[in-house]
Amino acid sequence: GENVEQHPSTLSVQEGDSAVIKCTYSDSASNYFPWYKQELGKGPQLIIDIRSNVGEKKDQRIAVTLNKTAKHFSLHITETQPEDSAVYFCAVPNFNKFYFGSGTKLNVKP
Amino acid sequence: NAGVTQTPKFQVLKTGQSMTLQCAQDMNHNSMYWYRQDPGMGLRLIYYSASEGTTDKGEVPNGYNVSRLNKREFSLRLESAAPSQTSVYFCASSEVADTQYFGPGTRLTVL
Repeated sequence: GENVEQHPSTLSVQEGDSAVIKCTYSDSASNYFPWYKQELGKGPQLIIDIRSNVGEKKDQRIAVTLNKTAKHFSLHITETQPEDSAVYFCAVPNFNKFYFGSGTKLNVKP
Repeated sequence: NAGVTQTPKFQVLKTGQSMTLQCAQDMNHNSMYWYRQDPGMGLRLIYYSASEGTTDKGEVPNGYNVSRLNKREFSLRLESAAPSQTSVYFCASSEVADTQYFGPGTRLTVL
């Protein structure tokens, strides 16, 4: 199966600072890479995804960068707010399955 | 449009008891998935169904069975529950290898 590594496992930032979470994978040839946000007691929800061989996608304060050659992609959150506090997961598709990273718990301190 | 629904929300079982977790989606997706989530381990795929009439094992299928009842419904059965199956279970649906939509989860405790 796919080996997905996500770092860091925990991240604490001051409100207004930026946060970066990185995900590396081993095998997938997919062009689709999503990031999910999970709030306490809820199921994961898609926040951004990228469909590309290489590049960047931005949606307001959130961006995803992808480097298929190096087999990694990253989530960037700028101007963090307390409501960004949650657990974030990357996911890597391989045929019909998705392989998830182990998650990053982001704490934004007011 | 309810998205993905799961029942029950909470369940406590004794070792050896059986139960079925129910999942339904109203987005007309072909693919459905069952995951378990344990602390610090992310989401691990138990079983999936790429399309109606097919099911396949994921990373951690031992101790579970599934049924794709129709295009909308995908159930997960624990025949003889064990404490190691204490977890939060999520159902998801999607088109193949595309955005997954998750249900609210079932919190299962096996004593």
